[in-house]
Amino acid sequence: DAGITQSPRYKITETGRQVTLMCHQTWSHSYMFWYRQDLGHGLRLIYYSAAADITDKGEVPDGYVVSRSKTENFPLTLESATRSQTSVYFCASKSVNEQFFGPGTRLTVL
Amino acid sequence: LAKTTQPISMDSYEGQEVNITCSHNNIATNDYITWYQQFPSQGPRFIIQGYKTKVTNEVASLFIPADRKSSTLSLPRVSLSDTAVYYCLVGDTRAGNMLTFGGGTRLMVKP
Repeated sequence: DAGITQSPRYKITETGRQVTLMCHQTWSHSYMFWYRQDLGHGLRLIYYSAAADITDKGEVPDGYVVSRSKTENFPLTLESATRSQTSVYFCASKSVNEQFFGPGTRLTVL
Repeated sequence: LAKTTQPISMDSYEGQEVNITCSHNNIATNDYITWYQQFPSQGPRFIIQGYKTKVTNEVASLFIPADRKSSTLSLPRVSLSDTAVYYCLVGDTRAGNMLTFGGGTRLMVKP
C-alpha cells in the first residue's frame, strides 16, 4: 500500500538506552521530516532531509541522530534516551506543496 | 522564518461557519500560507494552501488580503467531526524549506 509508515507505534525504554524509530514512505518523495509533539503542544521539527545522504537540523536536534541511505527510509535514533525525550514522534514526507504524515510513534522514556 | 500568531482555542456549534485568523506580519515574497488539521492521536493533514486572494476546495476556503500579513481559514457549516487543532504555516513550501507549526488553534464544535 502506498503511504508513509512508522515503527514501532509504541515504545517504552529506559534512560540511557539507544532507540531507533523507523520511517518508510512509498512515494519516492525527496523531502522527509521528523517532528516531535509533546502533550498539548504543537509540532517541533527535529531533523529533515532533502534527499538521500542530505540531512539538516531543525529546531530541536540535540540528542538525536538521523541517516538517509535510501530515499524511502529516514530512521531517527536517540543515542542515549532521556526522560525529556518522552513524546510522540511524527515522520513526514513532502510532495510539491503538501506534507504527508505518518501515524506517529509514542515513545516513553522511564 | 515567518512567525505566525493564531488564537489558542475557539468554540463553535454544529452548522455554524467558523473563521480562524492567522497573523504573519513578516511573510516573505515567496512564502505560501498553508493550513493543516490534526485530530487527536493522528498526524496533521493538509487542508488548503494559498498565496493571495481566495482559494476554495471541498473542505475549506482561505482568504488572504492584499498585504498578505494575515489569512483566514473558513470552515462552512462545521460538524462535530471538525473538532481538531488547526495549524497555520507560512513558508516557501515549493523550495522545501522547513516550516514551523506553532501551537495551533484548538477548535471545539459543540452539538
